[in-house]
This record gives sequence, C-alpha cells and structure tokens, in this order.
Amino acid sequence: EIVMTQSPATLSVSPGERATLSCRASQTVSTNLAWFHQKPGQAPRLLIYGASTRATGVPARFSGSGSATEFTLTISSLQSEDFAVYYCHQYNNWPRTFGQGTKLEIK
Amino acid sequence: QVQLVQSGSELKKTGASVKVSCKASGYSFTNYGINWVRQAPGQGLEWMGWINTNTGNPTYAQGFTGRFVFSLDTSVNTAYLQIRGLKVEDTAVYYCARAVYGDYLFDSWGQGTLVTVSS
Repeated sequence: EIVMTQSPATLSVSPGERATLSCRASQTVSTNLAWFHQKPGQAPRLLIYGASTRATGVPARFSGSGSATEFTLTISSLQSEDFAVYYCHQYNNWPRTFGQGTKLEIK
Repeated sequence: QVQLVQSGSELKKTGASVKVSCKASGYSFTNYGINWVRQAPGQGLEWMGWINTNTGNPTYAQGFTGRFVFSLDTSVNTAYLQIRGLKVEDTAVYYCARAVYGDYLFDSWGQGTLVTVSS
C-alpha cells in the first residue's frame, strides 16, 4: 500500500496570502496524484488531477506541481472560501490511498 | 449535470444491517465505476473499494471484506453499500464517488450518508 504523507497538518495563513501544501508518496505514483478540498459538512471536491491539471471550474489561483513522490499544491492568494481541509490522493496503484489531510485555517 | 445523490442518515443498533444507496444521473452510468469512501468522525478519507458498473464485479479494500457488500441496480442507475453486523466503529459518513474507467480518477462525489451505530 502506498502511504501518502501530507505536511503540515495545520497551516495558518491570512487571506490574500499564499499557501503551499505538500504531499509525499512512499513510492512513485508518477503524476497520478489528485488534490481535493473538503469544507465542514460537505463532500470532497476535486481541485487538481494529473498532479497539475485544474478540474473544471477550479479558479486559476490553485496550482499543482510535482511527480513521482513529491507534490505541492499552491494557492496564490487565499480567499475566504479556500479555508478547508485539503487531501492528496494517489490513483496510480491499488488500493487507492489518501493523505491524512492538511487543515488550512485563517490566521 | 452530473449528480450522485445518496440516501439519508441512518441510526442503527449494533448487530443490525444498513443499506446506503447512491443514485447517479446526468451521465452514462456504465461508463464509470462507483467507489465507496469512509470518513469516521473527525478523521480522513479511507477508500473502501469499488464496483464495476458493467460487470457488477466488486473489489474490496483490506479491512472491508466480509461485512461490506457493494451491489448495483443498473435499471435505476443506482449503487448500494450494505453493511452487515454493524459495530460502533462503523459510525462514519460514507461517500460514493464515480471514477472513469482507465485512470479511475474520482471526479464527482455524492453528498455523503451518515451512519450512526449505537449499542
């Protein structure tokens, strides 16, 4: 099983600032890496797939990068609606696995 | 538009069974597999497995064999998750998510179904 490790667990950032979230895979997942965010009481929403492709309707302030085992999600200028929990997810190998999540909170 | 609509919250006693439904609309049901993901209270996301909507063949992740059953009714574009012999630790929100065959990316999710198990 591929273990996905996200850091930090919690990130405190002010609105308008930049946020950088990291995800590491225990073995290579190529670029079969997705990012989701989840707001309280809601289902996860797909933001990024293929490590760097924004899903339909996702604002350009979200960008993803990386390959193999190291990945980054960057939010260039945080809006109020961006404060949520972010999960990385590998879909390269079975079983599918998720990171434990990074909580992005308002500073 | 693509929608996955799940059945409502359930409150059950230990040892009982529950069946959660996930009704798909807005796309061709058999072009996508249906995955199930569990989220225990305050915890992260855990993939439970998936079902092939063409063949009905289920695949279960480790830890979700025996008491968990995935099934389909393709006549109404609906997938089901049944949990037998409920335990308190089964208390969680259960999500269905579609994934296109090929890369199996989860691109659309149901709203989630809270299953609460009490003793």
